[in-house]
Amino acid sequence: QKEVEQNSGPLSVPEGAIASLNCTYSDRGSQSFFWYRQYSGKSPELIMSIYSNGDKEDGRFTAQLNKASQYVSLLIRDSQPSDSATYLCAVINAGGTSYGKLTFGQGTILTVHP
Amino acid sequence: DAGVTQSPTHLIKTRGQHVTLRCSPISGHKSVSWYQQVLGQGPQFIFQYYEKEERGRGNFPDRFSARQFPNYSSELNVNALLLGDSALYLCASSLFGGGLRVGYEQYFGPGTRLTVT
Repeated sequence: QKEVEQNSGPLSVPEGAIASLNCTYSDRGSQSFFWYRQYSGKSPELIMSIYSNGDKEDGRFTAQLNKASQYVSLLIRDSQPSDSATYLCAVINAGGTSYGKLTFGQGTILTVHP
Repeated sequence: DAGVTQSPTHLIKTRGQHVTLRCSPISGHKSVSWYQQVLGQGPQFIFQYYEKEERGRGNFPDRFSARQFPNYSSELNVNALLLGDSALYLCASSLFGGGLRVGYEQYFGPGTRLTVT
């Protein structure tokens, strides 16, 4: 079982729709959760962090965390073609030798078509 | 404020050679982490340094080494290069080491694209 799993997609949504990206993780000791956006040929860009169960909203982005289900998601409202990218889910278990190690999923490719 | 900077941008090396990659963190950040990303996969953790000490090491061979300098910049060294070392090498900067709360978010530099022939 992979430590962090994402549906690799591609996920295709029309412009203006809600894009829903999902991620599950296996380590119950995971404490911090992040979503990164990576455009083709570029480096990952942090777009959301979430540490507690529930929802966290930032502009068009909402991150949702459910530690009991070991599930984290990202919703993108009013999707734009500029949102087309690979979205990476990452988690940290800061205990022991893991310290600040980010463990990433393989990423979900999102395509927003006009 | 300047973000994380990395040099060089691109590098082509031959098998068996040695390479040094450099990273400067965001001003005020004390922690630097290194990741390797191959095409189609998420980044893989190599090292984290905080306050000039190694605080975490990923599952990479001893050919990989790193250090952090008093000004918090960092170098990643790879010896005896293999074809499989071809990847995008990413440096990430955070205010602190660890990962419990705000201040531990990691921000990536543009990366160094290493090609081993």
